[in-house]
Amino acid sequence: DPKIIQKPKYLVAVTGSEKILICEQYLGHNAMYWYRQSAKKPLEFMFSYSYQKLMDNQTASSRFQPQSSKKNHLDLQITALKPDDSATYFCASSSGGVTGQLYFGEGSKLTVL
Amino acid sequence: GEQVEQRPPHLSVREGDSAFITCTYTDPNSYYFFWYKQEPGASLQLLMKVFSSTEINEGQGFTVLLNKKDKRLSLNLTAAHPGDSAAYFCAVRPNTNTGKLTFGDGTVLTVKP
Repeated sequence: DPKIIQKPKYLVAVTGSEKILICEQYLGHNAMYWYRQSAKKPLEFMFSYSYQKLMDNQTASSRFQPQSSKKNHLDLQITALKPDDSATYFCASSSGGVTGQLYFGEGSKLTVL
Repeated sequence: GEQVEQRPPHLSVREGDSAFITCTYTDPNSYYFFWYKQEPGASLQLLMKVFSSTEINEGQGFTVLLNKKDKRLSLNLTAAHPGDSAAYFCAVRPNTNTGKLTFGDGTVLTVKP
């Protein structure tokens, strides 16, 4: 059974709309992350959270907002969607610490028309 | 920031042959190194993590080499089989606790029977 659950697995949105990608992890980890994988770019780090606090943000656009309502949740809200936002978004988690191994979810594939 | 170059982008080998993938990185502070395997439509599966103090690591059917002097990380799949067909990504991480991995562009490996 997947220990990192991402919802939805696939979604289609129109330009200008807003979507929320859901991520829940059941590994007991205290750190969670978002990465993006698109046809144009390799896997890109977006955000990292530890104990529900933002640790690092490498996303230039404020249209991407992570939301952590619980320790094991890290959702990603994307507003004013653009076709260039089309990508697979991966949630990950780790037990933290500099040696913590990242475990990835199965991804949410977003297509913006 | 860190830049990781991965070669080759595509690799096709016959079953039983070796497959060699190389990554070079730029940041001398990179301390942790990872190889991930991604099958089509699936998430990333960790193959191996290497610390900067270790130069050679062996897994099941593969060897990972780290050359810190040349800033080069290599993955050698020995006696490849069709089940090894997938995309392979290297990733590097500094000795900080942000969880940020910088990935290579990936290598799509095809192993033909």
